[in-house]
Amino acid sequence: AQSVTQLDSQVPVFEEAPVELRCNYSSSVSVYLFWYVQYPNQGLQLLLKYLSGSTLVKGINGFEAEFNKSQTSFHLRKPSVHISDTAEYFCAVSLNTGGFKTIFGAGTRLFVKA
Amino acid sequence: GAVVSQHPSWVICKSGTSVKIECRSLDFQATTMFWYRQFPKQSLMLMATSNEGSKATYEQGVEKDKFLINHASLTLSTLTVTSAHPEDSSFYICSAREFGQTNYGYTFGSGTRLTVV
Repeated sequence: AQSVTQLDSQVPVFEEAPVELRCNYSSSVSVYLFWYVQYPNQGLQLLLKYLSGSTLVKGINGFEAEFNKSQTSFHLRKPSVHISDTAEYFCAVSLNTGGFKTIFGAGTRLFVKA
Repeated sequence: GAVVSQHPSWVICKSGTSVKIECRSLDFQATTMFWYRQFPKQSLMLMATSNEGSKATYEQGVEKDKFLINHASLTLSTLTVTSAHPEDSSFYICSAREFGQTNYGYTFGSGTRLTVV
């Protein structure tokens, strides 16, 4: 079975500071990895994805993530956050076989303070 | 880019009534659509996977008779919450996988806030 663990439920950070949101996963089969952002009362927007190839993935809004197979991690980073980055962030894994189900982590609330 | 329209965005209904939520792929054909439920400050829980023209596959613990899913065309899937009760109040979100695409990240609808009173 697959699972996703987001180690921090909330991350407060000051504007223009760097941030890292942590994600670890477990799976017995090959998976794809994703980060999504959700603003209040809205659906999810894809930030970035890792399918294969380079382990450093760049996404929208200045975010990037690094896939580390040995540590089964896929941490999300941004060098300088803005107030508008305040949102809920979900790490997800998706099977590349069968029904292509996506399993989400519990989410991390990023709160950017002025 | 791919767009998924979900309707309504919010709905209030009386206990015991049924509510239908629509999920439409606007500019692509969706072979597979997924329905999720999200409680406040919690993650998304997959309820079911629906494939066009076939019966939906429900996750363990999800009542198929209560949450009816229909995927009658490649652009439309519906979720009907039957005999709704206050505990069914939640945020429901659909997502769609484009026909012929491998797993590049799905497109999500904007969600439906259901409140049962």
